[in-house]
Amino acid sequence: GQSLEQPSEVTAVEGAIVQINCTYQTSGFYGLSWYQQHDGGAPTFLSYNALDGLEETGRFSSFLSRSDSYGYLLLQELQMKDSASYFCAVRDGGDSNYQLIWGAGTKLIIKP
Amino acid sequence: DGGITQSPKYLFRKEGQNVTLSCEQNLNHDAMYWYRQDPGQGLRLIYYSQIVNDFQKGDIAEGYSVSREKKESFPLTVTSAQKNPTAFYLCASSVRNDGNQPQHFGDGTRLSIL
Repeated sequence: GQSLEQPSEVTAVEGAIVQINCTYQTSGFYGLSWYQQHDGGAPTFLSYNALDGLEETGRFSSFLSRSDSYGYLLLQELQMKDSASYFCAVRDGGDSNYQLIWGAGTKLIIKP
Repeated sequence: DGGITQSPKYLFRKEGQNVTLSCEQNLNHDAMYWYRQDPGQGLRLIYYSQIVNDFQKGDIAEGYSVSREKKESFPLTVTSAQKNPTAFYLCASSVRNDGNQPQHFGDGTRLSIL
């Protein structure tokens, strides 16, 4: 079957660094994406990794290891506005016709 | 400003009733998607469309129907056959259904049963 595993909840302190992990098991792989969703809001795109390594965009970085079927989102200098749910999603191929398969999301709680 | 507009924000359905959720985009995107989100879960694909007059079933299409008569519009009908329709419905679009194209989302419609 196809599945993505990520922690359900992570707690961190304002100003700290936090890493949200994602492991995946899919029939195909065409890239790992990360989305942010505030409570009751729309998901917004954060990053995309198709190749191994680290991609940095401001305070957020995303890492991929295709051999380990693993990626993570790294958030630095945490701010209260970063409190949200973070979803990893894998673009599958084959029978899924390149659709995004989504993880259940990680709720990030930031304490002052 | 370009974006995706979903309406209504809240919708209530009576037993045996069909309801239609609206999704309009002015981003000139070819691909559009409908997702269902239940509390504490990820997004599940209901239907998607890669081009006008074409659409494909996603993982949970039973009890739903769509049309794509215009590039800008991709309405979703929740039929009476969908026995558990209470959920948050999200519409999205992307330039095309391609590897690195991010999906842009509307603000969603919350559907509840009366």
